[in-house]
Amino acid sequence: EAQVTQNPRYLITVTGKKLTVTCSQNMNHEYMSWYRQDPGLGLRQIYYSMNVEVTDKGDVPEGYKVSRKEKRNFPLILESPSPNQTSLYFCASSLSGLGSYEQYFGPGTRLTVT
Amino acid sequence: AQSVTQLDSHVSVSEGTPVLLRCNYSSSYSPSLFWYVQHPNKGLQLLLKYTSAATLVKGINGFEAEFKKSETSFHLTKPSAHMSDAAEYFCVVSSRGSYIPTFGRGTSLIVHP
Repeated sequence: EAQVTQNPRYLITVTGKKLTVTCSQNMNHEYMSWYRQDPGLGLRQIYYSMNVEVTDKGDVPEGYKVSRKEKRNFPLILESPSPNQTSLYFCASSLSGLGSYEQYFGPGTRLTVT
Repeated sequence: AQSVTQLDSHVSVSEGTPVLLRCNYSSSYSPSLFWYVQHPNKGLQLLLKYTSAATLVKGINGFEAEFKKSETSFHLTKPSAHMSDAAEYFCVVSSRGSYIPTFGRGTSLIVHP
C-alpha cells in the first residue's frame, strides 16, 4: 500500500530536550516536505526536499532541522524544542516539487512541549 | 507571489442540502489549485485539483470545483451533503516554478442530521 508513515504519532517532551520525528514514504517520490498545523492558521511549510541531499527552507524554518540522506526518509529534528513548537506536524511527499503534483500526507504527529 | 483566502472559517449545512466552500487565490503565474480534506485525527487527502486543463474539475465523493480566472476563485461544491462530509477543507495554491504551496486557513464543514 502506498503510504507516508510518521513516528511517533504523539509526543510530550520538555523544553530543550532534542527530539526527532521520522517520516518515510514507499512511493519513490522525489519531493518531501514538513508542515505544521496550528488552529486558525492552516498548514505552513517548515522545510522541503527536492531530492536526496537537497533541502531548502519553507515559510517557518526557525528552530527546525532536516536531512535527506535516503530518498524514502526525511526526518524532522528539533534540537532544542520550545513551547511555541507545540503543534500538529505533517510529513508529505510528491512525485515532483513542481506545483501541479498532488501531495500525499502522513497521519500526523502531535507534539507537546512543556 | 501567491496567496489563498478561504472566505468562511465554518460552514453549517443540513444533510441533503448543497455545499459551497469558497476560495479566492492570488498568483503571479499560472496556478495549480487543490482542495484537500482532513477528517478528525487524520492526515490530508486530495479531493480534486486544477492544473490548466478543464475549468470544471470533478473530484472524489461527488465534489467538484470551478476555476474562474476572471474572479480568481476556485469554489468547492457538492449537490447534496452527507454526514460523512463533516471535516476540515483546505484550498491550496501552487504557482508554476514554486516549491512552496500556500494553504488556506481551512473551512470547517458541519453537517446537521
